[in-house]
Amino acid sequence: QSVLTQPPSASGTPGQRVTISCSGSSSNIGSYYVYWYQQLPGTAPKLLIYMNNQRPSGVPDRFSGSKSGTSASLVISGLRSEDEADYYCATWDDSMSGLHAVFGGGTKLTVL
Amino acid sequence: QVQLQESGPGLVKPSQTLSLTCNVSGASISSGSYFWNWIRQPAGKGPEWIGRIFASGSTIYSPSLRSRVTLSVDTSNNQFSLILNSVTAADTAVYYCARGRAVVPGALEYYLDFWGQGAPVTVSS
Repeated sequence: QSVLTQPPSASGTPGQRVTISCSGSSSNIGSYYVYWYQQLPGTAPKLLIYMNNQRPSGVPDRFSGSKSGTSASLVISGLRSEDEADYYCATWDDSMSGLHAVFGGGTKLTVL
Repeated sequence: QVQLQESGPGLVKPSQTLSLTCNVSGASISSGSYFWNWIRQPAGKGPEWIGRIFASGSTIYSPSLRSRVTLSVDTSNNQFSLILNSVTAADTAVYYCARGRAVVPGALEYYLDFWGQGAPVTVSS
């Protein structure tokens, strides 16, 4: 059971806009930045969004992130076939157990 | 270009010790500018952060693994290592090493900007 909750699946047709949500609590998303990672089949996760809404060099502006309170969202505009992948949100959690990184369970995006 | 490469046995027997090393190229661990991490991912599941080490040797670990994990750093060889004791089948996963970049200089919060390709480890007799 992941600390961060994501829908297990999402889908869209080429050109569509898709939103993936990530829900947490005051000890994690409510207190820290949110990060998003894209994992293509058989590869390592790749940083997609950092500090809620910043894109690393080379990530298309079709990908955008936002955060409000204890939830965050990843939006993919102009969906393309190569966007088919698993998407994970991540942040930090500062509960009684001490500061540690946490990931969501992931959302499998299918491009129909 | 920063590159990380995991190495170690792909098969470990139950109750024994898992040991992996991450070799870093294109960045110097001893520069003290980044955090060096281990993450694992069981098949079909999301990643699980294991812990991180700084160039100084300072570590923090996942609460769920803290009692069995030790991270160490070898700045002379630009590598860092993971030891996980008393493994069970539940520790079967792909193990990744990754670099952590602080959100602002000096901050303890960071994100993982470069990852290794991953090392599959199976725990089985």
